[in-house]
Amino acid sequence: ETGVTQSPTHLIKTRGQQVTLRCSSQSGHNTVSWYQQALGQGPQFIFQYYREEENGRGNFPPRFSGLQFPNYSSELNVNALELDDSALYLCASSPSGSREQFFGPGTRLTVL
Amino acid sequence: RKEVEQDPGPFNVPEGATVAFNCTYSNSASQSFFWYRQDCRKEPKLLMSVYSSGNEDGRFTAQLNRASQYISLLIRDSKLSDSATYLCVVNIPRGAQKLVFGQGTRLTINP
Repeated sequence: ETGVTQSPTHLIKTRGQQVTLRCSSQSGHNTVSWYQQALGQGPQFIFQYYREEENGRGNFPPRFSGLQFPNYSSELNVNALELDDSALYLCASSPSGSREQFFGPGTRLTVL
Repeated sequence: RKEVEQDPGPFNVPEGATVAFNCTYSNSASQSFFWYRQDCRKEPKLLMSVYSSGNEDGRFTAQLNRASQYISLLIRDSKLSDSATYLCVVNIPRGAQKLVFGQGTRLTINP
C-alpha cells in the first residue's frame, strides 16, 4: 500500500452538478497531483499542488479546480459536470523534488 | 501525435514465456522514465524506474534509448500473476513534475 487514500471510492452524479473529491497524501509527501483516467486510456495529468499552490496544470478547463491544505491533503473540484467527465480520478503524492509518484486507489465518477 | 505511444495489445502469452513491450516518447525534455503496472479497476503501481544503463529487477528488465526515444520492458518466465496492463510513463518537469502516460499494454498470461 502507498499510504495515499482517496474518498469517496465511487460517486454517481448528473450533468451540471458539482463534485468534490478528496485525497490524503502519504506521510511526509508535500506534493499532490491529480490525474483523470478514462476507460481504456492512460491517466491524464490535471494539475499538481506543492505547498498549497498550484504549480502546474494539464489541458483541462477551469471548471476543474483544486486545493491543497496545510497538512498536504487535497481536493479536486469539478463544476458543471459533463458526461465525458466520467472516469477514474487518481491522486498521487510525492516528496518534494521526487520524480516518482505514488497513487491512491482512485475515485470512480459516473456522470449520468 | 501522442507524447507516449504504446501498442495497446492485447498480448496473450503462455505461462513461462518471455514477453517484451516497447514504447516511444516524443518530448526530448523527458527526464525520468518508468513502467507502472495497473490491475483491472485498480490504481497504477510503480513497477520500476528505467535508467540509461538499463536495469533489472528479478524477472523484469528495462532499457532506455535516449537517442531513439525508446523504452522497453522484458518479462522473463512469465507468471499468471503478471497479467495486468503495463503503462509506459515519462516525467516532464515543466514547473510541476508531470507524469505522461502511454495508453497501456494489456497482458494476459495463460496457464
